[in-house]
Amino acid sequence: GAGVSQSPSNKVTEKGKDVELRCDPISGHTALYWYRQSLGQGLEFLIYFQGNSAPDKSGLPSDRFSAERTGGSVSTLTIQRTQQEDSAVYLCASSLASGGRQDNEQFFGPGTRLTVL
Amino acid sequence: DAKTTQPNSMESNEEEPVHLPCNHSTISGTDYIHWYRQLPSQGPEYVIHGLTSNVNNRMASLAIAEDRKSSTLILHRATLRDAAVYYCILRDWEDFGNEKLTFGTGTRLTIIP
Repeated sequence: GAGVSQSPSNKVTEKGKDVELRCDPISGHTALYWYRQSLGQGLEFLIYFQGNSAPDKSGLPSDRFSAERTGGSVSTLTIQRTQQEDSAVYLCASSLASGGRQDNEQFFGPGTRLTVL
Repeated sequence: DAKTTQPNSMESNEEEPVHLPCNHSTISGTDYIHWYRQLPSQGPEYVIHGLTSNVNNRMASLAIAEDRKSSTLILHRATLRDAAVYYCILRDWEDFGNEKLTFGTGTRLTIIP
């Protein structure tokens, strides 16, 4: 079946512009996660959705970053007034809810490579 | 959160077994041990997880020390496709609502043809 998809695959933008990154999770997965991977920083968590609610936004680096999820499916990560340090690969993952047992598998998309000039 | 320690890099010959170690000396009794890997230019993918007993699946085996302070991911017959960064991650099943994966630096595995 279809995996997690993300669009666009690559995005080049100018400093100060806003960008929107999209994630389509696996059908039926109630949990959705955003991570980013930048050189020298490794993979870092940004935000977690359970359904349309975001119980954990602790990884969002600043108030320029926001995310929403509608219909318990598609999610959009928005970065306002982009800065050069926002350049990274933004990864989305989805999973069945673990019920708190932490033994569920997360399925990752291919990522969106964002370059801020 | 309990931390994991892995070697930065390892090399192995193709078609030979690979043992990837992970130390987690501060592991709590409720921590699951998860392994993910990231192939070049791809998102991470799940490999295996366990709690106390050794685990096997089609991709790999997970050997967990009796005191659970360390574990080893075993690839039984490495192929070139197994070249990736391997991450050992602890997840506390009592930490309700804390669903995120906390990635360390991982081990970069190179397979020599």
